[in-house]
Amino acid sequence: NAGVTQTPKFQVLKTGQSMTLQCAQDMNHNSMYWYRQDPGMGLRLIYYSASEGTTDKGEVPNGYNVSRLNKREFSLRLESAAPSQTSVYFCASSHGRDYPSYEQYFGPGTRLTVT
Amino acid sequence: GENVEQHPSTLSVQEGDSAVIKCTYSDSASNYFPWYKQELGKGPQLIIDIRSNVGEKKDQRIAVTLNKTAKHFSLHITETQPEDSAVYFCAAMTGGSQGNLIFGKGTKLSVKP
Repeated sequence: NAGVTQTPKFQVLKTGQSMTLQCAQDMNHNSMYWYRQDPGMGLRLIYYSASEGTTDKGEVPNGYNVSRLNKREFSLRLESAAPSQTSVYFCASSHGRDYPSYEQYFGPGTRLTVT
Repeated sequence: GENVEQHPSTLSVQEGDSAVIKCTYSDSASNYFPWYKQELGKGPQLIIDIRSNVGEKKDQRIAVTLNKTAKHFSLHITETQPEDSAVYFCAAMTGGSQGNLIFGKGTKLSVKP
C-alpha cells in the first residue's frame, strides 16, 4: 500500500515550457487535491476534485489546469511555466469531503524550479 | 474568506520540555481543525485533529485545545523528544461541512538533546 505517490520528485523547467505533474493514490479515495508550498507561506490549494469526473478551483488556480483521469489519478498541468511557479507541489487525497471522511493524506511532493 | 494565523514561526525547546503552538482563525463557520507535522523532504502528516463540538483532544504526548468563542486553537506537545523536531502546520476547514483547508504558515520546532 503505497498511499499517495507523485512523479517526478524534482524538475527544472525554462520559462514558457510546459509539464504535467502526476499523482496517484491506492486508498480508493474519492477526493483529491493539489497544493503548492512556498517558503513562509504554508500550503495553498490550487485545485481539487471532490469525486471522479469533477474538478474545482482552489485558492490559487491561475496558470494551472487539472485532470481527474480516473478515481486513482489526478494530474496538474503547467501550460507555460513562469518563475513565480517555482515551488514544492503536494498532492493529497481523502475518502470524501464530509466528516469523518475528510482526513487528507499527502504525497512526498514534487520540487519544481522554473528558470 | 478564512484566514489562519500561526505563532510562533520558530520554537526551540530542550528535550523533555513542553512546546505550545497557537493558531487563530477568522471564519466562525469553520468546524474542523487538523494539525500536520512535516519532516524535512517529506509531505505533511496528520498528527491530531479536533472538531468544533469538542474542547480538547489528547493522543499520548500531544493534545489540541479549541476555544470557539475566541476562535483560537493550540497544539501542546509534552515531554518533547529530538524526533519531534519538524515543521508543524495548523489548518481550519472553511465552508461548513464540505470546505477546504486553509493552512497557517508553519512553526519550525527544534528539540535540543
